[in-house]
Amino acid sequence: AQSVTQPDIHITVSEGASLELRCNYSYGATPYLFWYVQSPGQGLQLLLKYFSGDTLVQGIKGFEAEFKRSQSSFNLRKPSVHWSDAAEYFCAVGASAGNEKLTFGTGTRLTIIP
Amino acid sequence: EADIYQTPRYLVIGTGKKITLECSQTMGHDKMYWYQQDPGMELHLIHYSYGVNSTEKGDLSSESTVSRIRTEHFPLTLESARPSHTSQYLCASKGTNSYEQYFGPGTRLTVT
Repeated sequence: AQSVTQPDIHITVSEGASLELRCNYSYGATPYLFWYVQSPGQGLQLLLKYFSGDTLVQGIKGFEAEFKRSQSSFNLRKPSVHWSDAAEYFCAVGASAGNEKLTFGTGTRLTIIP
Repeated sequence: EADIYQTPRYLVIGTGKKITLECSQTMGHDKMYWYQQDPGMELHLIHYSYGVNSTEKGDLSSESTVSRIRTEHFPLTLESARPSHTSQYLCASKGTNSYEQYFGPGTRLTVT
């Protein structure tokens, strides 16, 4: 069975600082990986996805993520955060074939301080 | 931006009432999903559908039921609401040739 671990429940960074949110997955084959962002009271918005190819993927809002098979990780990064980036971030894994379901991590809440 | 809609956005209702949460998408996606999310927690899949007249239970047991009579519509029904059903319910859809799911804004349900 697939699983996702987001080890950081809450992260606080200063506006303008760099950001890295950690995500580790467990899956027997090549996974499909996603990062979603959720603002308070809202649904989830897709930030970026990895299926195959280049292991560094670019997403919306200046975010990027790097797939590292050897570490079973898919960490999300942003070089300079903005106050509007404050939200909950979810990493998710889907099977590469057949299984249509996504498995989500427990999320990381990002707080931005001036 | 995906076109998937949920109504109502917020609902406060008394115990024992029957409720239906609406979800519609205009993208022609054949696959649709319902997730339950408690505050500050991960999403748990409770129902999904591969297409018209197809419904399956998800990983988290739920007393709710769903139907899929039209491609664009995937309502969720609770026959008798209880306080334990208080949660946020998120609907999502996915096209046949893609793996990413697109989410609606959610319905926050409170049962008193």
